[in-house]
Amino acid sequence: KNEVEQSPQNLTAQEGEFITINCSYSVGISALHWLQQHPGGGIVSLFMLSSGKKKHGRLIATINIQEKHSSLHITASHPRDSAVYICAALMNRDDKIIFGKGTRLHILP
Amino acid sequence: DAGITQSPRHKVTETGTPVTLRCHQTENHRYMYWYRQDPGHGLRLIHYSYGVKDTDKGEVSDGYSVSRSKTEDFLLTLESATSSQTSVYFCAIRDRGRGSHEQYFGPGTRLTVT
Repeated sequence: KNEVEQSPQNLTAQEGEFITINCSYSVGISALHWLQQHPGGGIVSLFMLSSGKKKHGRLIATINIQEKHSSLHITASHPRDSAVYICAALMNRDDKIIFGKGTRLHILP
Repeated sequence: DAGITQSPRHKVTETGTPVTLRCHQTENHRYMYWYRQDPGHGLRLIHYSYGVKDTDKGEVSDGYSVSRSKTEDFLLTLESATSSQTSVYFCAIRDRGRGSHEQYFGPGTRLTVT
């Protein structure tokens, strides 16, 4: 079992819909990183958080340390949000970074 | 954007040939990483460096070696390329200073071994 699990693996939605991508981890972490990768593109940092909630434009990331769970939300989704979203957990025990396998999001116009 | 470049950006090579990929940063970050990204696997750590001449293996290090003789450069070498090493390779840097854990990624190198 992977230490970092993302769901769903794939998500297709209509433009304007509210999107939620989930990330669960099984061990103690010191921080969680959300990344975005457009098709054929590089990897861009969206958020790094260790508690609470962060917001940037239409993107919101939350983390619940007790439940070992983080979510990435996109409000008023747009076709340009179509990308792979990756969560990465920074482990307490050895400072290593473990990546989820990503969620492929496709927003239809 | 963090100042990270990778070269080459694309390479096609034959099985058995040596290949070196270069990662260059202008941020003076201590930590540098090499990952490979393959469908169904996500990002997997090959090797990382925590300072000049200080490197360690990741989860998929077999067939790869690295060197870091300067803070700004981290080289990944495939001594004898195999088809299983066809992948997209990403370099990343991390500061770990001032409570920061954030990683910044280079643009990637697409390597095809024929």
